[in-house]
Amino acid sequence: DAMVIQNPRYQVTQFGKPVTLSCSQTLNHNVMYWYQQKSSQAPKLLFHYYDKDFNNEADTPDNFQSRRPNTSFCFLDIRSPGLGDAAMYLCATSRRRRASNQPQHFGDGTRLSIL
Amino acid sequence: ILNVEQSPQSLHVQEGDSTNFTCSFPSSNFYALHWYRWETAKSPEALFVMTLNGDEKKKGRISATLNTKEGYSYLYIKGSQPEDSATYLCAWDSGNTPLVFGKGTRLSVIA
Repeated sequence: DAMVIQNPRYQVTQFGKPVTLSCSQTLNHNVMYWYQQKSSQAPKLLFHYYDKDFNNEADTPDNFQSRRPNTSFCFLDIRSPGLGDAAMYLCATSRRRRASNQPQHFGDGTRLSIL
Repeated sequence: ILNVEQSPQSLHVQEGDSTNFTCSFPSSNFYALHWYRWETAKSPEALFVMTLNGDEKKKGRISATLNTKEGYSYLYIKGSQPEDSATYLCAWDSGNTPLVFGKGTRLSVIA
């Protein structure tokens, strides 16, 4: 059974129209991550939550926001998607955010397309 | 800038062939090295988390070695099968920052 679930699998939105991607987990992990992955590129960390503590990467555009209303759910909001935001968005979880010998657990991803 | 490099970017092998590819990472501030397998339309799946220099881990026909002093890890697949076709990602854990991923090696196994 999937332990990290992302919805939807595919999302098409219009240029400039806000979109929200969702992630839920049944692992009760402390840390939830959002990665952006473009074709043939490394997954790029956008931000992560350690419990309720939000950590934004320095180069994550202001256009990207996140919410974590409880342990199980985390949302990625793109306020005004541009063509360059078309990508695969991966959600992942872990118990610890660093210095851990445990892997991250990933969802299947949401493929975002911008018209 | 601390980068994680993977090579080759892609490769095609015949079913039954053995293959290997490389992950290079900064040798300073090392805590752990992760390997993930990412099949198309599925989630990345953890293969190994390696922490000790000289470590070797094995999972079926897949094994990995780690050299933290020179900053590289090899992933080996023995007797490749079509179901091994996937992108193999490595990620470096410095112990101080979140994981840094490489671009992956895309493996295609031809029957």
